[in-house]
Amino acid sequence: KQEVTQIPAALSVPEGENLVLNCSFTDSAIYNLQWFRQDPGKGLTSLLLIQSSQREQTSGRLNASLDKSSGRSTLYIAASQPGDSATYLCAVSGNTPLVFGKGTRLSVIA
Amino acid sequence: DTAVSQTPKYLVTQMGNDKSIKCEQNLGHDTMYWYKQDSKKFLKIMFSYNNKELIINETVPNRFSPKSPDKAHLNLHINSLELGDSAVYFCASSQDARTGNEQFFGPGTRLTVL
Repeated sequence: KQEVTQIPAALSVPEGENLVLNCSFTDSAIYNLQWFRQDPGKGLTSLLLIQSSQREQTSGRLNASLDKSSGRSTLYIAASQPGDSATYLCAVSGNTPLVFGKGTRLSVIA
Repeated sequence: DTAVSQTPKYLVTQMGNDKSIKCEQNLGHDTMYWYKQDSKKFLKIMFSYNNKELIINETVPNRFSPKSPDKAHLNLHINSLELGDSAVYFCASSQDARTGNEQFFGPGTRLTVL
């Protein structure tokens, strides 16, 4: 059974710092991995989708990497801003629909 | 235009009542999903429908009955509500049922059972 773990559970950084969020999964037989952002009381916004054949995806200040064999993904956020404050969720798609981690709650302090 | 929409946004009701949550997507997708996010913020799949047919039911109590009148709509009906049903329910859609397709989520419905 697929399990997804995200570390750290919470992170607080000053504005302008570069930061890395970690995601690990137990079953490497995945089709893709998705990173989402969830703002308090809101829905999920898809940030990046990495197919299993890809190593990384970039969108603006965000870069996500995938190492399928070791069951790891990282989300790199460059030059963090207060508007980046949210919960970031990692989810993997395999033989079952999306399995989510519990998220990393990020606070960027101005 | 909202891609995936849900109504209502908030729902407060008494134990034992029956309630429904509606979901609509205007993306032309064939597959829709219901997820539950519990008080610890853990998101878990409940159901998946492809072109109006149930393809996944993740051991959800049969008090929960999804209904898909057409492929753009997937409504969730809940009978005999219990305190433990309090959660945020998210609807999502993807182009088709092939795993690996990107999923798009609605804004969620916060259900509170008193």
